[in-house]
Amino acid sequence: GESVGLHLPTLSVQEGDNSIINCAYSNSASDYFIWYKQESGKGPQFIIDIRSNMDKRQGQRVTVLLNKTVKHLSLQIAATQPGDSAVYFCAENGAAGNKLTFGGGTRVLVKP
Amino acid sequence: KAGVTQTPRYLIKTRGQQVTLSCSPISGHRSVSWYQQTPGQGLQFLFEYFSETQRNKGNFPGRFSGRQFSNSRSEMNVSTLELGDSALYLCASSDGGGSGANVLTFGAGSRLTVL
Repeated sequence: GESVGLHLPTLSVQEGDNSIINCAYSNSASDYFIWYKQESGKGPQFIIDIRSNMDKRQGQRVTVLLNKTVKHLSLQIAATQPGDSAVYFCAENGAAGNKLTFGGGTRVLVKP
Repeated sequence: KAGVTQTPRYLIKTRGQQVTLSCSPISGHRSVSWYQQTPGQGLQFLFEYFSETQRNKGNFPGRFSGRQFSNSRSEMNVSTLELGDSALYLCASSDGGGSGANVLTFGAGSRLTVL
């Protein structure tokens, strides 16, 4: 079946360093990808998205890279801050309407 | 602009009971989706409603159902609760275009514990 990054690894990063979070997806028909951030006790919060006709998109301190050849998605966070500590989820949508398939998530811990 | 509001935030039920969760989307959003989040299975899609019609459905048993009202507010119901239904139930809304490239805004969730 469809799957996106089923593991929940932990990334420990020093404050001020750059973070890279990776995600593998399996549905080659997916054409829309999103990164969400979830802090404890809150719902997922949108960070950045990318469509399949692009391979890179930049936001404020974040960059998403899409490699459709190997079905890989990554999120880069520049100058990681303590407020970036959270669980990050990638998600993809290959259906009409809204039907997201989420990855298992990556926990990011920022060390002061 | 108010965000997505889910009620109740926390609830405890016993096996065999049923539960109804409510979601008020962002004003103007016509699509409401529901997700179940558990430590073991992660975030899993339940269903999506758009203009009072179910547009997408996940792989959950028929005990899980939902509906959407004319004001776009949505409810989901779980009947004959099982221990494994303990989870955080998340609602998300979007303006709902059919392309699938829609930003979903999530609520804080309803934490259901089944004893």
